[in-house]
Amino acid sequence: DGGITQSPKYLFRKEGQNVTLSCEQNLNHDAMYWYRQDPGQGLRLIYYSQIVNDFQKGDIAEGYSVSREKKESFPLTVTSAQKNPTAFYLCASSDLSGGRATNEKLFFGSGTQLSVL
Amino acid sequence: QKEVEQNSGPLSVPEGAIASLNCTYSDRVSQSFFWYRQYSGKSPELIMSIYSNGDKEDGRFTAQLNKASQYVSLLIRDSQPSDSATYLCAVPLTGANNLFFGTGTRLTVIP
Repeated sequence: DGGITQSPKYLFRKEGQNVTLSCEQNLNHDAMYWYRQDPGQGLRLIYYSQIVNDFQKGDIAEGYSVSREKKESFPLTVTSAQKNPTAFYLCASSDLSGGRATNEKLFFGSGTQLSVL
Repeated sequence: QKEVEQNSGPLSVPEGAIASLNCTYSDRVSQSFFWYRQYSGKSPELIMSIYSNGDKEDGRFTAQLNKASQYVSLLIRDSQPSDSATYLCAVPLTGANNLFFGTGTRLTVIP
């Protein structure tokens, strides 16, 4: 089955620790995205990538880092510089090959709930 | 003004009634509009997209777009308890390479 796989489902971070959230897709989508969702709030964009080895900052990139070494993979690292990391993190992808009909439609993974110990 | 605004609710409707969800956006030249449904603890899923003024119907769902008023709505007819979820409005704003999401409206359908 095609889809987006995020792991782990739950993650706990200690003070001063970096943690990495995994996101893998087998949809052959060009673009991948990381969003953060806090209770009662909409999704806010952290980083996005439209092509391998290239990525752009979103609205709330501070304290996060990403890499895009393979088309299928877009891991997110939450660094110790992110002082309020507790949130639900969502990875998404979209197909850029079909123009507006496809490139603006996001497919989401199941999410990772990150909490601070 | 926020880029995309929704009434956070909660909105409660009885089973079988019509649920009406509203969204306003700030970018006058936005061309695409999306409604996502998100069940508690789950990821959002796309349920409707609309690009032209007027109505678009898909089963029990109808999206309505009025670009002059910068307003997009989602109507759910014959509401079912399984429709209970948070509905997110999303708009790609001009010059931005991503979707802006509203805070979502939490809908509860009462059996």
